[in-house]
Amino acid sequence: GQQLNQSPQSMFIQEGEDVSMNCTSSSIFNTWLWYKQDPGEGPVLLIALYKAGELTSNGRLTAQFGITRKDSFLNISASIPSDVGIYFCAGPYNQGGKLIFGQGTELSVKP
Amino acid sequence: DAGVIQSPRHEVTEMGQEVTLRCKPISGHDYLFWYRQTMMRGLELLIYFNNNVPIDDSGMPEDRFSAKMPNASFSTLKIQPSEPRDSAVYFCASSFGGLGQPQHFGDGTRLSIL
Repeated sequence: GQQLNQSPQSMFIQEGEDVSMNCTSSSIFNTWLWYKQDPGEGPVLLIALYKAGELTSNGRLTAQFGITRKDSFLNISASIPSDVGIYFCAGPYNQGGKLIFGQGTELSVKP
Repeated sequence: DAGVIQSPRHEVTEMGQEVTLRCKPISGHDYLFWYRQTMMRGLELLIYFNNNVPIDDSGMPEDRFSAKMPNASFSTLKIQPSEPRDSAVYFCASSFGGLGQPQHFGDGTRLSIL
């Protein structure tokens, strides 16, 4: 079945560093969503992207909808300890179908 | 604004017992989803409803699992009888306006079957 591949699977960084992660697919997506899951909580929507090439920011977070429509990127600038968690990308399978989720990128931030 | 509300937050029970998980979606949302999350398999969609009607239950693992949505503000996921391999975190999510629209998740029910 269709899969979204996230990389890296995990990251260990120092507070203050910038973070980059990405999500790729073998199929075209019309929507890319980025979620963050804190320990013991449900995923929370961070950013939604709807157009190829779109660049959207939410505070220190910036996400981009890849030009090929087969990938998306999430950047976090000047990381802080509360950025710790698992970041998921998601998109509607088959252009408007059910959302499928990547396997997540686990971020650890050392103070 | 109230988000998606799930109860209980934690459930520990012995195998063979019936387990009922509850969800109140965001008011006005017309889609409701039940997911299961495990380390091994990640987030798996079990079933989803549109306007209270079950549309796709192909992700439900077996007949021991059932889900209902008697009205727009309430849904249940039931496991009977429960087994240790059902241990996982179960999430409910809701969305508005289309299947591929952003979903809003509850905080989940952490289920442990002994």
